[in-house]
Amino acid sequence: DADVTQTPRNRITKTGKRIMLECSQTKGHDRMYWYRQDPGLGLRLIYYSFDVKDINKGEISDGYSVSRQAQAKFSLSLESAIPNQTALYFCATSDFGTGSYEQYFGPGTRLTVT
Amino acid sequence: SQKIEQNSEALNIQEGKTATLTCNYTNYSPAYLQWYRQDPGRGPVFLLLIRENEKEKRKERLKVTFDTTLKQSLFHITASQPADSATYLCALDSGNTPLVFGKGTRLSVIA
Repeated sequence: DADVTQTPRNRITKTGKRIMLECSQTKGHDRMYWYRQDPGLGLRLIYYSFDVKDINKGEISDGYSVSRQAQAKFSLSLESAIPNQTALYFCATSDFGTGSYEQYFGPGTRLTVT
Repeated sequence: SQKIEQNSEALNIQEGKTATLTCNYTNYSPAYLQWYRQDPGRGPVFLLLIRENEKEKRKERLKVTFDTTLKQSLFHITASQPADSATYLCALDSGNTPLVFGKGTRLSVIA
């Protein structure tokens, strides 16, 4: 089974709808991240969490919210989806405690807002 | 503000040659620099990490250099193969803040 899973993998929604993207990890990592990727713009950080009680805004948090329900789960919500939130969304994890800093990414969720 | 530039959006090379990708940064003092590979529609995959006090790191056909004076990292793939075709991302890491990613260089290895 994959270490970092994202659901759904693909989602088409309408403008104004609230949607939630979910991320789960079995790696036991303390840190989790949400990114979006757009052609030509690279990976941009939306929110990150260094532990269950820690939530931080990233570069582009407007229009998004997150919830860290447990060490293994980190959800991203779009309160009222708009077309320019159409993108590929990635969840990632890392483990600060072991001193290794690489991030492990999920398979991505392709979101289309019509 | 912090800025990361990967020298070219796309790079085409012949199979068997060495591919060299460049990552330059400004207004940043990273403790680490990381390189990732990303295939279309998939999440990035970690390849190598190099620390600020290391000049060079190798892993199989991959080699990374890190020059903190020039504020530059070079990523080399020797004896390149068509299977190496992908987008390669560099990322800067201060040690206790999230990674900052470059936009990537799309490498195509032509048989």
